Amino acid sequence: DVKVTQSSRYLVKRTGEKVFLECVQDMDHENMFWYRQDPGLGLRLIYFSYDVKMKEKGDIPEGYSVSREKKERFSLILESASTNQTSMYLCASSHRQGIQPQHFGDGTRLSIL
Amino acid sequence: GEDVEQSLFLSVREGDSSVINCTYTDSSSTYLYWYKQEPGAGLQLLTYIFSNMDMKQDQRLTVLLNKKDKHLSLRIADTQTGDSAIYFCAERGGTNAGKSTFGDGTTLTVKP
Repeated sequence: DVKVTQSSRYLVKRTGEKVFLECVQDMDHENMFWYRQDPGLGLRLIYFSYDVKMKEKGDIPEGYSVSREKKERFSLILESASTNQTSMYLCASSHRQGIQPQHFGDGTRLSIL
Repeated sequence: GEDVEQSLFLSVREGDSSVINCTYTDSSSTYLYWYKQEPGAGLQLLTYIFSNMDMKQDQRLTVLLNKKDKHLSLRIADTQTGDSAIYFCAERGGTNAGKSTFGDGTTLTVKP
C-alpha cells in the first residue's frame, strides 16, 4: 500500500523555536508538497519540490523553508515559530506528470504556544 | 490569481443523492479533482476529470464539468453515513504544473 508518512501527528512548540516537520514517501514520486489547512481557508500551498534539491514557493512561504536532500524525504522548517503558525500541516506527493497532488499524509497538528 | 469556490455545508438523508458544487476561475485548468477528508486524516483523492471531458462516472460517484461556466459538481448516489466528510474541489492550471488550487471544502453530513 502506498504511503506518505508524517513524523508526528501532534506537536507542541514554543514561540521562537526552530521546528522541523518531516515527511517520507515510499512511491518514488518526483513531486512533494507542504500545505497548511486552517478552518475557513481550505488548503494553502507553502512549498513544493519537483526534484531533489529543487523547490518552489507556494502561496504562503513566508516564515517557512524546506529541504529535499533525498527523493523520498521532504522537510518543512519553521525558522522561528510564531503563534500564527499554529495549524494542521499536510504533506503530499505525486509523480511528475498527472494528478497533483495524488497522495496525502495524515497531517501534523502543530500548536505554537 | 486562480480561485476555487464551494459552499461550506451540505446535509442529506441516508439513501438520498448528494450534489456538491464547485466553481473555478482558471480557464486554462487541465485537471479538476475531488478529494475526501475524514476526521483526523489527510485528503484522499476520490476522482478527477480532464478538462476536455463533460462527465465521468465511477461507481456511486458522478462528476459533471461545464467548462463554459467553469462549474464542477460531484454527485454521490445512495449516500451513506460513511460518506460524511469534507469534500475538496481542486483545479490544476496549465501554467504551473505543480500548483493546484483548492476550494475551502464542503462539509457533508449524512443523517440516518
